[in-house]
Amino acid sequence: LAKTTQPISMDSYEGQEVNITCSHNNIATNDYITWYQQFPSQGPRFIIQGYKTKVTNEVASLFIPADRKSSTLSLPRVSLSDTAVYYCLVGAHSGGYQKVTFGTGTKLQVIP
Amino acid sequence: SQTIHQWPATLVQPVGSPLSLECTVEGTSNPNLYWYRQAAGRGLQLLFYSVGIGQISSEVPQNLSASRPQDRQFILSSKKLLLSDSGFYLCAWSVYGGGDTQYFGPGTRLTVL
Repeated sequence: LAKTTQPISMDSYEGQEVNITCSHNNIATNDYITWYQQFPSQGPRFIIQGYKTKVTNEVASLFIPADRKSSTLSLPRVSLSDTAVYYCLVGAHSGGYQKVTFGTGTKLQVIP
Repeated sequence: SQTIHQWPATLVQPVGSPLSLECTVEGTSNPNLYWYRQAAGRGLQLLFYSVGIGQISSEVPQNLSASRPQDRQFILSSKKLLLSDSGFYLCAWSVYGGGDTQYFGPGTRLTVL
């Protein structure tokens, strides 16, 4: 399984764009990169997934360089409600199941 | 649409007592099912996963066991709880053979005293 490394914590003011970078040097050819958001006492929630280049949805953008050894989650104009832990995962597709490893994540604190 | 349920939401148990946490999924068939544990302030630790009825794989040797008696039911058990079993237990599902997106339940907060 590809290991991921991301900052332990980040602070940002409301209205700013936040970029959280994740390193995954050992990513395999068939691995996807997925980001989750977790609020206290709740299960993680899927945010965005990508394989290469750029993916955008209504919540965030995901930038993946050509070598795929890192990825950056971009949250535009954060609000206080975006305060949460963000996990970067690299999934291993093996047979019929997907086994992924959740690291400690990045704790984002949005400041008013 | 698919939904995932977990119960109970919170549980306080004495050391040495048994445990049974239940997870059910609605709106999908033959899902992959997962049990995770999250200690306070820590990341998620994968405990068990299952690709079908009666098929359980354990990730970490421990005091816990899992069973999947029905396609959309996943149970986490222990015969004798330890203090170290305290934590936030999360059940998740994903599409069998599909992408690796996992959908999590609301979790069970277990405190062992």
